[in-house]
Amino acid sequence: DAGVIQSPRHEVTEMGQEVTLRCKPISGHNSLFWYRQTMMRGLELLIYFNNNVPIDDSGMPEDRFSAKMPNASFSTLKIQPSEPRDSAVYFCASSPSHILDTQYFGPGTRLTVL
Amino acid sequence: AQKITQTQPGMFVQEKEAVTLDCTYDTSDPSYGLFWYKQPSSGEMIFLIYQGSYDQQNATEGRYSLNFQKARKSANLVISASQLGDSAMYFCAMREGPLPNTGNQFYFGTGTSLTVIP
Repeated sequence: DAGVIQSPRHEVTEMGQEVTLRCKPISGHNSLFWYRQTMMRGLELLIYFNNNVPIDDSGMPEDRFSAKMPNASFSTLKIQPSEPRDSAVYFCASSPSHILDTQYFGPGTRLTVL
Repeated sequence: AQKITQTQPGMFVQEKEAVTLDCTYDTSDPSYGLFWYKQPSSGEMIFLIYQGSYDQQNATEGRYSLNFQKARKSANLVISASQLGDSAMYFCAMREGPLPNTGNQFYFGTGTSLTVIP
């Protein structure tokens, strides 16, 4: 079975530009998570969805960040406008709803904002 | 207060020996879950093992076992018979709260870098 798929794997952009990160969860998984990892702050949960509905977005740093899950097989994390401090690795993870704690991570998107 | 504390920034272990990675947690919620992830240098996060707060027995998955001491709020990871491929960052994490649709919170520790020496 395919794992969690994220695209792009690497993104380099300039400050002020819009960035969209994409995630395809494992088929059949009902929960989806977006994380951000930096050296300074470690791994932080940004938002998670259950059955396509955002359950907790308290980790989203500010209004420049938004996430959507229009259907069970696709989610996006958008940053507009991007800033250099947004540079990080962004992970998407999915989980079967009946085993919420077993999260399967995607390979991550390494974002660099110049 | 930190929700998850990993006090060992780096650890070394001889190949084929066992190693314990420490993790303590802080919660007043009676329902929580603890888990460990491995992050090799390639960057992906790999789920290793899970322990629920109500589980009576310590979780085991192959060479991985979780030493769950509820009263002490510790959830140490034990890796037996270390292999060179075990060299990686290891993260302890906690899910706080009941099951889905009720606003669970997830917390990760700062990680422990494990190096297996041949």
